[in-house]
Parts: sequence; structure tokens; C-alpha cells
Amino acid sequence: DTAVSQTPKYLVTQMGNDKSIKCEQNLGHDTMYWYKQDSKKFLKIMFSYNNKELIINETVPNRFSPKSPDKAHLNLHINSLELGDSAVYFCASSQGSSGRAPRFGPGTRLTVL
Amino acid sequence: TQLLEQSPQFLSIQEGENLTVYCNSSSVFSSLQWYRQEPGEGPVLLVTVVTGGEVKKLKRLTFQFGDARKDSSLHITAAQPGDTGLYLCAGTYNTNAGKSTFGDGTTLTVKP
Repeated sequence: DTAVSQTPKYLVTQMGNDKSIKCEQNLGHDTMYWYKQDSKKFLKIMFSYNNKELIINETVPNRFSPKSPDKAHLNLHINSLELGDSAVYFCASSQGSSGRAPRFGPGTRLTVL
Repeated sequence: TQLLEQSPQFLSIQEGENLTVYCNSSSVFSSLQWYRQEPGEGPVLLVTVVTGGEVKKLKRLTFQFGDARKDSSLHITAAQPGDTGLYLCAGTYNTNAGKSTFGDGTTLTVKP
């Protein structure tokens, strides 16, 4: 099945911890993204990588560090988690970085206690 | 920051009714997408419109891109419970590294 997959689906952790979310796509796309969806369902881009190069870095705290080991993977590491980081994080991918609609993964619901 | 405003925010209707959801912005987009998101899932792309005035149909769903490429509408005919979900519009700029700006969403509930 060709898709964007993320792990874990749910992540519950204490404030101050460090956690990672993994993302893989087998669609052959060269661009990958991380989006954050808040409790009001507003979806906002965080990062975008094209061929492993960072091309979009929105105003996101330095505690968030994306890593792209290859074109098919884009992981998100979060240091010193805060209550306000609780949200659903979506990985997405597209072919090309110019105006192509991204295809989304199933999301990771992060809850910081 | 460019904003996309969707209206209405919430819509609850009976099966068989028609409805229209609007997506408005002051910005001109290269293309505009409509997504549907179900609980616990990621947004799923329904359509992309590119040309001003373009109309696309997907079974009972009709999508229109405004002439000036600043707004769009989604019309559903004879809504069914399976249409229930969060509908998101997103505008994309060809010159902005493909960044999509999402609207604030319309939550649709279709009651049987």
C-alpha cells in the first residue's frame, strides 16, 4: 500500500521529556512536511524538506528539530516538551515543492501532562 | 500571514439536504485544494483547482474557484451521513516553496 505512515499514533508524556515522531513515505515523493493541528483543528505548516534539504522553517521553537536521513523519511524530535506542545502532528509528502498538494499521514496525537 | 476564512464553521443538516461551504481570502493563490478529514485520520485531498472560474465535480460535490483566484466554494447535493467530516480548504503558492495555507475548517454533520 502506497502511503505516508507515522509512528507512534498516540504519545503521552510528561512535561520536560524529549520525544521523537517518525515518518516514512513510499510514494516516491521528494518533498516532506510536518504540520501541527491544534485543538481548534487549525492546521499549520512547521517544516518542509525537499530532497533532504530544509526549505521551509516556520516560526517554530528551537526545541523542535526535524531530521531527514533520506528522501523517504522525515522525523521530528522535540526537546523539553511543554503543555502547549499538545496537538496532533501530521507528516505529509508531495512530488515537487512548487504548489503540489501534499498527501497526509494519519497523524500522531501528542499529549503533554 | 495570509488567512483563509471558511464559513460556516459548523453545519448540521439532515440527510438529503444541499449545502455550500465557502473559503475566502484577500490573497491570490496559484491553486486551491479542498480536503476532508475524519476523526483520527489525516486530511484526504478531494480536489485541486487551478484556473480562475474553474468548476470541478466529484459525484455529488461541486467545487468552484473564484475568477480572481482568491476564493472557492464547495457545494454538496443531497448530503449523506458519509459526508460527515471536517472540510478544509488550502491555498498554495507556486513561488513559496509549495507552502499551503489552510483555512480554519468547516465541521459538517449529516444526520440520517
